[in-house]
Amino acid sequence: QQQVKQSPQSLIVQKGGISIINCAYENTAFDYFPWYQQFPGKGPALLIAIRPDVSEKKEGRFTISFNKSAKQFSLHIMDSQPGDSATYFCAASMGSNSGYALNFGKGTSLLVTP
Amino acid sequence: EAGVTQFPSHSVIEKGQTVTLRCDPISGHDNLYWYRRVMGKEIKFLLHFVKESKQDESGMPNNRFLAERTGGTYSTLKVQPAELEDSGVYFCASSQDPRRSGANVLTFGAGSRLTVL
Repeated sequence: QQQVKQSPQSLIVQKGGISIINCAYENTAFDYFPWYQQFPGKGPALLIAIRPDVSEKKEGRFTISFNKSAKQFSLHIMDSQPGDSATYFCAASMGSNSGYALNFGKGTSLLVTP
Repeated sequence: EAGVTQFPSHSVIEKGQTVTLRCDPISGHDNLYWYRRVMGKEIKFLLHFVKESKQDESGMPNNRFLAERTGGTYSTLKVQPAELEDSGVYFCASSQDPRRSGANVLTFGAGSRLTVL
């Protein structure tokens, strides 16, 4: 049973546009929600993360929006650049200060066209 | 600081053969995780070591998979005998004690792609 559902599967955005990737979860015990970015031939790398006590977190052009009541969170990439083209994975886990495993979504392949 | 190293980067074997994947985590990282991604699917958890002990192996598919972490350093994941459905990319990740860093930040290796023919 997949614990984190991610959409869309793929996304094409023009340079300068906004990329939006959505995720939903069921387990209300989850309290740590990171996003990972993966380039071809590399492993996923932490991009940005949020805990449910805040509704939004911004780091540069990347913003996570979190809706606890809807059990949804999303990644917004502002002013998308060709260098942002990668696969993005949302994830969730319990106990942000513990070693509990991350549960990943299926990933979104983002292509930013020049 | 050296990252997480995985070997081999790609392995092609026939059904029924044995393959051993190796992971060298970041030095000092007590937590070591194995994940697998089958094409088009999610990155799925396999198991979690804390030092040399298996903390959680609930994601291991079956008893054809055996993971070890010698002396709490590097880890191996052996598949014996391999089946077609074992094909995928196997990722290793490590993290330091989250109680020190405030969050469980996993650093992933580049993965080992396994193709079973």
